[in-house]
Amino acid sequence: QVQLKESGPGLVQPSQTLSLTCTVSGFSLTSYSVHWVRQHSGKSLEWMGRMWSDGDTSYNSAFTSRLSISRDTSKSQVFLKMNSLQTEDTGTYYCARNSGDGSYFDYWGQGVMVTVSS
Amino acid sequence: DTVLTQSPALAVSPGERVSISCRASEGVNSYMHWYQQKPGQQPKLLIYKASNLASGVPARFSGSGSGTDFTLTIDPVEADDTATYFCQQSWNDPDTFGAGTKLELK
Repeated sequence: QVQLKESGPGLVQPSQTLSLTCTVSGFSLTSYSVHWVRQHSGKSLEWMGRMWSDGDTSYNSAFTSRLSISRDTSKSQVFLKMNSLQTEDTGTYYCARNSGDGSYFDYWGQGVMVTVSS
Repeated sequence: DTVLTQSPALAVSPGERVSISCRASEGVNSYMHWYQQKPGQQPKLLIYKASNLASGVPARFSGSGSGTDFTLTIDPVEADDTATYFCQQSWNDPDTFGAGTKLELK
């Protein structure tokens, strides 16, 4: 069955870089796009960026200058790197699979809680 | 960015019908989707492209609308429906989400 699972450090110091991994199973990264979505403490969801099935990427302009998404198809993993973290980057980070027609998120990972604090 | 406006909270009794609205600041065609999120869990897809029921979702859930005004309806509401409901549009870049409507049962 389709599964996505995020992993990464729960605590990051201000100004440091966040590195997260999304490991997927049950589908191929070359057939579906995978996205990163952030949620501040039970509040609304914020789309961050996507890894397209062809390997291209696109980002929310709110993060463009400090966000990078990459992948390793052999390991079925998608990576998020975001630098210059601030306390307002604290939240839960989800990876989600986009539907075959690229419009909605049909499967989500369980999320990883990230706290930015010294 | 396209702003999606949802009412913040609703309270209904089990067995009643409830409608949750989502208004977009600009047209999104039919590319509006609905998710349910319970505390401590990831969002779960309920409705895609305005009115299509996602796999495994009870037929008590339905969606309608096009353009800028959309509605998620639950009829009848059950105790397990206590959750926050988010709308999401994918017509305009970037994808955006509403702030969520928290549904409580009386």
